[in-house]
This record gives sequence, C-alpha cells and structure tokens, in this order.
Amino acid sequence: GAGVSQSPSNKVTEKGKDVELRCDPISGHTALYWYRQSLGQGLEFLIYFQGNSAPDKSGLPSDRFSAERTGGSVSTLTIQRTQQEDSAVYLCASSLGFTSVGETQYFGPGTRLLVL
Amino acid sequence: DAKTTQPNSMESNEEEPVHLPCNHSTISGTDYIHWYRQLPSQGPEYVIHGLTSNVNNRMASLAIAEDRKSSTLILHRATLRDAAVYYCILRDVKNFGNEKLTFGTGTRLTIIP
Repeated sequence: GAGVSQSPSNKVTEKGKDVELRCDPISGHTALYWYRQSLGQGLEFLIYFQGNSAPDKSGLPSDRFSAERTGGSVSTLTIQRTQQEDSAVYLCASSLGFTSVGETQYFGPGTRLLVL
Repeated sequence: DAKTTQPNSMESNEEEPVHLPCNHSTISGTDYIHWYRQLPSQGPEYVIHGLTSNVNNRMASLAIAEDRKSSTLILHRATLRDAAVYYCILRDVKNFGNEKLTFGTGTRLTIIP
C-alpha cells in the first residue's frame, strides 16, 4: 500500500518568502507528526495531530511556523517570512493513533527546504 | 523524558554481526525501548522495540539488560544496506496519546565491504 507522501521533495526559496509543505499520511492513520532535521543535526519534533484533539504545538520554534490538518487527513506546514536557519529537511510521519505505546511511526521521504 | 546514550559511530565488516549499544540508566518502569534507523536521504524507519524481554523480528534482535539500564540492537549479518544512523529511543507508556519521538544523536553505522 501507499506510504506517507510529502511534497514538494525539494523547495528553494528566498529569505522572507512564505512556504507551504504538504504531507499525505497513510490512509486510516489518525496521528500525524512533523519533525525537522537540520544539516548535521538530529531530528527535532515540531507538531503532533491526533484525531480531532487540539494539536500539540510544543515543538514549533517560533510563531512563523504553523500547521493545519484538514479533514483529519492531509496536513500543511506553513513557514512565514522564511529565514536561512529554517533550511532543513522537514519530515512527516503518521501512525494509527490511540492503540499502544509500541505503535510504529511511518515516515515520509521529507521535503528539503533551502532558504537563500 | 529519560535520556539515552549511544556511541557516535561504529564500523563493521559486511556479513558479520553488529552489536549497537544504548545506555539508558535513568529509564523508568513504564519506558519502552524503541529503535529506529535512518538510511541516507530517507526518513527514519522502525526497527524493533521491547520492554523487558529480548525481542526478535525479521530485521534485528533486541537484547535488554536485566536491570533495563542498557540494551543492544543486534544485526545478525550486516549488509551494505544496513549502513544508517541508528536511534535508541525511550517511549513512556504514561504519555499514551502523546507519542512524539525524541531522537538523540544516534550511532552512525558504516559497513565495510
């Protein structure tokens, strides 16, 4: 079956512009996560959606970052007024939801963002 | 969250077993031990997880110390495709419903042909 997909795979933008990154989770997965990985750094949690509950935004680095999930499926991560330090690979993951602690997260291939 | 400590890098010869250690001395009784790996230019993928007993699956084995303060991921016969960064992650059952993964720096495994 289809895995988690993300688009675009690569994005180059100019400093100050807004960007939108899209994530299509695995069908039927109620939990969706965004992470980012800066060059040479580990993976950093950004935001978590679970069903219709309010999202956990505790990982968003600034108010320039926002995310929404429409209809409990597709999610969009928006970065406003991009800065060079926003350059990173943005990874989306999904999981079934409230089933067990051992629940696997399935990651997409990521969107590589470069801010010039 | 309880912290894990892993070596930054390891090397192994192809077709030999690999033992990747992880220390988690502050693990709580409700922490599960999970392993993910990240192949070059890909997102992470799940490898294995366990609580107290050793675990086996088609990808690897997980050996958990009796006191649970350390664990070892075992790749029985490494191939070039196993070259990746391996992450040892603790997930607390009390956080059921808040399942974000907290990644450390992981171990970069290099396989020598």
